[in-house]
Amino acid sequence: EVKLVESGGGLVKPGESLRLSCVVSGLIFTDAWVSWVRQAPGKGLEWVGRIVSKRSGGTVEYAAPVKGRFAISRDDSKDTIYLQLSSLKTEDTAVYYCAHHCGGDCFDAFAAWGPGTVVTVSS
Amino acid sequence: DIVMTQTPLSSPVTLGQPASISCRSGQSLVHSDGNTYLSWLQQRPGQPPRLLIYKISKRFSGVPDRFSGSGAGTDFTLTISRVEAEDVGVYYCMQATQFPYTFGQGTKLEIK
Repeated sequence: EVKLVESGGGLVKPGESLRLSCVVSGLIFTDAWVSWVRQAPGKGLEWVGRIVSKRSGGTVEYAAPVKGRFAISRDDSKDTIYLQLSSLKTEDTAVYYCAHHCGGDCFDAFAAWGPGTVVTVSS
Repeated sequence: DIVMTQTPLSSPVTLGQPASISCRSGQSLVHSDGNTYLSWLQQRPGQPPRLLIYKISKRFSGVPDRFSGSGAGTDFTLTISRVEAEDVGVYYCMQATQFPYTFGQGTKLEIK
């Protein structure tokens, strides 16, 4: 069973930075493609960005609202995906989820999700 | 960006009765590889989302067969054949055909 666990959330002031972690288990991590998705309080789901496996090129894609401020990376030796949040704004307040992209027939569906970590940006 | 529009936004349903949710995309979701990357997710209160359906109509592992998906091109439907109490939550359609991936606004399913 694929399991994801996020950590690193907290309360920060506008303009500050934070690094979120997503530890993935139950699969060959080096093959994992992972997205970050966020959910503002009482709102719907918003895709933040995706990183693919190094074997697939290790490329990263971002949503426009976070491009240039957020950065996704991976450490295959630690089975961990990171989301570096910089120049934070109040509108970045949300629960941040990491989600594993299904392989095989269910390619690119978000097959497993972590419980989420809360980021609050407030002065 | 591909805009995903769900209707209705709220759906009160009687237990044991069917329910359906519509999702319309602003442009065709057929990928150049011939697949249509439209999925449906369920989010129960206080929980992360859970994958129900991928590629329009394929049920994910462990999903009850009362859930089914249909559609093509730009119009898609999630149907629950007989609603159970555990189905309460918010349902989202999502497209992964083109970046950025986008979600519908969500449809809240509640019991009458």
